[in-house]
Amino acid sequence: NAGVTQTPKFQVLKTGQSMTLQCAQDMNHNSMYWYRQDPGMGLRLIYYSASEGTTDKGEVPNGYNVSRLNKREFSLRLESAAPSQTSVYFCASSLAQGFNQPQHFGDGTRLSIL
Amino acid sequence: RKEVEQDPGPFNVPEGATVAFNCTYSNSASQSFFWYRQDCRKEPKLLMSVYSSGNEDGRFTAQLNRASQYISLLIRDSKLSDSATYLCVVTGYNTDKLIFGTGTRLQVFP
Repeated sequence: NAGVTQTPKFQVLKTGQSMTLQCAQDMNHNSMYWYRQDPGMGLRLIYYSASEGTTDKGEVPNGYNVSRLNKREFSLRLESAAPSQTSVYFCASSLAQGFNQPQHFGDGTRLSIL
Repeated sequence: RKEVEQDPGPFNVPEGATVAFNCTYSNSASQSFFWYRQDCRKEPKLLMSVYSSGNEDGRFTAQLNRASQYISLLIRDSKLSDSATYLCVVTGYNTDKLIFGTGTRLQVFP
């Protein structure tokens, strides 16, 4: 009954370091998403994957890359971390792309860039 | 103008009170509407979808007004456990990309 699992839950990086945030879902969902949440800004879509083998940019993709490794896993990579990327990152999944498909969220990764 | 706008609150209400939140959206072609709940430092969780005819789930009632482009959430008989931030979420036309409001914070006190 895990749903969407994100690792790590917390991370502190120095400017210029790289890291990958992992996300896995066990609900057999086709679509997966990465968001960031900043105070006063709401959740903003970074990248999404409508189905295995496809990825597309969202609202704020700069500085990030993604990989849809298989149907279950969707990772987010910061190649050269910047302080502006300090945020809470949420991964989500939905059954399919389309109307009235609610998304299920992981419990987030809190990332600080010094 | 933001695509989805909400009053940030906080709404401070006593237990047992009825409270209502509104949310306006700018894209008249929006097709799907949701309310999510987010507890402090937790992930958003789906509270309910919002249908054109309005819908109810226990103490919660959601309404959609397409003409005025807003959705509402009514909570009756508020509980302490209802204290959270309520996110209004809208999808655009022909897409499943969700557009999140910044949320309305509710604090229910004894």
